[in-house]
Amino acid sequence: EAGVTQFPSHSVIEKGQTVTLRCDPISGHDNLYWYRRVMGKEIKFLLHFVKESKQDESGMPNNRFLAERTGGTYSTLKVQPAELEDSGVYFCASSQAGGSASTDTQYFGPGTRLTVL
Amino acid sequence: AQTVTQSQPEMSVQEAETVTLSCTYDTSESDYYLFWYKQPPSRQMILVIRQEAYKQQNATENRFSVNFQKAAKSFSLKISDSQLGDAAMYFCASGHQGAQKLVFGQGTRLTINP
Repeated sequence: EAGVTQFPSHSVIEKGQTVTLRCDPISGHDNLYWYRRVMGKEIKFLLHFVKESKQDESGMPNNRFLAERTGGTYSTLKVQPAELEDSGVYFCASSQAGGSASTDTQYFGPGTRLTVL
Repeated sequence: AQTVTQSQPEMSVQEAETVTLSCTYDTSESDYYLFWYKQPPSRQMILVIRQEAYKQQNATENRFSVNFQKAAKSFSLKISDSQLGDAAMYFCASGHQGAQKLVFGQGTRLTINP
């Protein structure tokens, strides 16, 4: 069974440009999460999809970030326009549909390292 | 709000020795879960061990075990018989029932000395 995959693995862009990150969750996982780790700091939650719906987007830093999950399969996270402080590693994770009665194990992808110059 | 603190940015241990990584947390939730994740260099993060707060027994996975002290809000990870492949960044995390997001600590970089 394939794990969570993310594309690209690295991205280097200039300030003001747009970047789109993609995440393919484990097949059959309804829950999809985005997290970010800024250099040297803790991994922080960005948002959570249940199928195609945004369940919790409390961690999204500002309106320059747009996440979508059309059809409830893969997800994209677009940063437009990118700023220097957006640099970091963006992780995607997925978990099965556990409902509100449990906290299922989240399986992480390898991350996308974004560098904004 | 939940917080997780890992006070050891770096740790090192001799191969075959035992090492303990510290983690403390704070939460107002009564039903929560604790995790240790491992991220080897240039590889993806994987779950090492998981502990449900309502369980008194400490979780164990082969050479990995936890010391869960609920009253002290402490959740340390013990790695026995350390192997070179254990070298990684280790993250402690918490989650609670009904809210799927995880809250992470800052991470501890573990080096294994041959």
